[in-house]
Amino acid sequence: AQSVTQLDSQVPVFEEAPVELRCNYSSSVSVYLFWYVQYPNQGLQLLLKYLSGSTLVESINGFEAEFNKSQTSFHLRKPSVHISDTAEYFCALTRFNKFYFGSGTKLNVKP
Amino acid sequence: EAGVAQSPRYKIIEKRQSVAFWCNPISGHATLYWYQQILGQGPKLLIQFQNNGVVDDSQLPKDRFSAERLKGVDSTLKIQPAKLEDSAVYLCASSLGAGGMNTEAFFGQGTRLTVV
Repeated sequence: AQSVTQLDSQVPVFEEAPVELRCNYSSSVSVYLFWYVQYPNQGLQLLLKYLSGSTLVESINGFEAEFNKSQTSFHLRKPSVHISDTAEYFCALTRFNKFYFGSGTKLNVKP
Repeated sequence: EAGVAQSPRYKIIEKRQSVAFWCNPISGHATLYWYQQILGQGPKLLIQFQNNGVVDDSQLPKDRFSAERLKGVDSTLKIQPAKLEDSAVYLCASSLGAGGMNTEAFFGQGTRLTVV
């Protein structure tokens, strides 16, 4: 069975500080991993994805995530956050076109 | 490229009433999903279609929820009768993948349902 765990329900951080949002997954087979972002009253938008190849993946707005198979993790990081990064972030895995989502982490960036 | 379209954006109904949501996926996407997102939780899959066939509806409360995807394109999700606990955001998503391919899912903006 597949599952995704996001241990931090909320992460407060000051603007320009670094942040890490944790994601761990459980699966007995190979999976593909995603991070989605959800702004208030919006649907989910793809932030970045790991399908194969390099274990470090980057988004266009400065986020990165590293696939770590031995630790079954796919943590999301950004070296310097902006107020506009305030949103909820969901980690997800897919196997045979089925998506499994974590419970989400609310990132609150303070000025 | 047009995204996933959903309507309505918001709906308020009384318990025991019925409601329907509509979704038009991205053109050419074989797979369509309906998710329920309760406040403070991650999306929970209700039903997954591949073309016009149901792949997974194991978490769909079939006594009150129904969904169809006619002609393998747009889809409707219906709740009849609604309960207070159905208050949630209903997200539609589509993906290109079929037959085991893994690609990202694209989401619509969702329909926020409030049952009073």
